[in-house]
Amino acid sequence: KAGVTQTPRYLIKTRGQQVTLSCSPISGHRSVSWYQQTPGQGLQFLFEYFSETQRNKGNFPGRFSGRQFSNSRSEMNVSTLELGDSALYLCASSLTGTGIVIQYFGAGTRLSVL
Amino acid sequence: GQQVMQIPQYQHVQEGEDFTTYCNSSTTLSNIQWYKQRPGGHPVFLIQLVKSGEVKKQKRLTFQFGEAKKNSSLHITATQTTDVGTYFCAGREAAGNKLTFGGGTRVLVKP
Repeated sequence: KAGVTQTPRYLIKTRGQQVTLSCSPISGHRSVSWYQQTPGQGLQFLFEYFSETQRNKGNFPGRFSGRQFSNSRSEMNVSTLELGDSALYLCASSLTGTGIVIQYFGAGTRLSVL
Repeated sequence: GQQVMQIPQYQHVQEGEDFTTYCNSSTTLSNIQWYKQRPGGHPVFLIQLVKSGEVKKQKRLTFQFGEAKKNSSLHITATQTTDVGTYFCAGREAAGNKLTFGGGTRVLVKP
């Protein structure tokens, strides 16, 4: 079974631009969560989608948004990029999203904002 | 909101020695998970604890969930160079469904 696939693996953008990251979950997984990982802040929860609905949201500004499609694939968008948005963005999928849940992480997209 | 704290932030260990990393939540948890992230890699699930006072072992790793379900620990015996990485705990609130990660303990092993 294929793992969680994130594209692209690396991105370089400049301040003010916007970016879209993609995540394809493990087949059959309906829950997708997004995290931002930086050396100073660790793993920060962005949001979780389940069956195309945002179920949980972290404490990030409205510039960060996401969506999930009917095939469970998810995209994350960051508008008006700032230098501080440089980070590794990780996507994790899980089977149901409730109760006992194991999250399977993708390799991440490393975003550099110049 | 819920906060999950891990200590220590860094752990330098001599190969062959034991060490423990601790995880504390500001709220009661329904369960707690532990993940390991190797340098340059992504977090990989290790184990989940659900019951109060639960203890689980994986070879040289021993995981414990506190009686109050607000703290957890990971103890590694006879540390090896393959144990290098960052260990994260992640707690799921009893009252909600969000998974909150601790800041991680970065383990460095001196051969």
